[in-house]
Amino acid sequence: AQRVTQPEKLLSVFKGAPVELKCNYSYSGSPELFWYVQYSRQRLQLLLRHISRESIKGFTADLNKGETSFHLKKPFAQEEDSAMYYCALSGSGGSYIPTFGRGTSLIVHP
Amino acid sequence: SAVISQKPSRDICQRGTSLTIQCQVDSQVTMMFWYRQQPGQSLTLIATANQGSEATYESGFVIDKFPISRPNLTFSTLTVSNMSPEDSSIYLCSVDELTDRGGTEAFFGQGTRLTVV
Repeated sequence: AQRVTQPEKLLSVFKGAPVELKCNYSYSGSPELFWYVQYSRQRLQLLLRHISRESIKGFTADLNKGETSFHLKKPFAQEEDSAMYYCALSGSGGSYIPTFGRGTSLIVHP
Repeated sequence: SAVISQKPSRDICQRGTSLTIQCQVDSQVTMMFWYRQQPGQSLTLIATANQGSEATYESGFVIDKFPISRPNLTFSTLTVSNMSPEDSSIYLCSVDELTDRGGTEAFFGQGTRLTVV
């Protein structure tokens, strides 16, 4: 069974502070990991995925297979980063119904 | 990328009644997913809707309570039947599209915020 754990329900930081949203997963095969974001009054949307190795809006996430983690990081948080963040996993090779973590609410204070 | 229109965006319903949520996709997709998003909890998959066959329900969800239709490759409905306050939640329609490595990216409707009184 695949599982995604986001240990923090809420993360509160000040503008300019570093941010790390934690995500751990369990999956027996080779997973694909994603971070989705939901800004206030907007729909849930993809932020980034590990296979792209990209930085989106200053956020990066590295897949650590040894620690089964996919933490989302940003060195300097901005107020507009305040949102709900969901870590998600889908299996590669066709088993692609995604599993979502419970979400972490990020609040960036001015 | 898929564009999903979901309606209604919100509704307040009396207990014991039913509400049907519609989901329209701008492209043909094989599988459509219905999720429930409760405050402080993860997105919970209710069922997978396939065109031409019965929906596949996850543990804890049954067809009598959440009947689903999938008449074609671009449309699906989810009905929340005989509602109780415990059904108050946000319901989301979602589809997956293939990424460049054979995996998928999920696209979501804007959600239906249901309040049962």
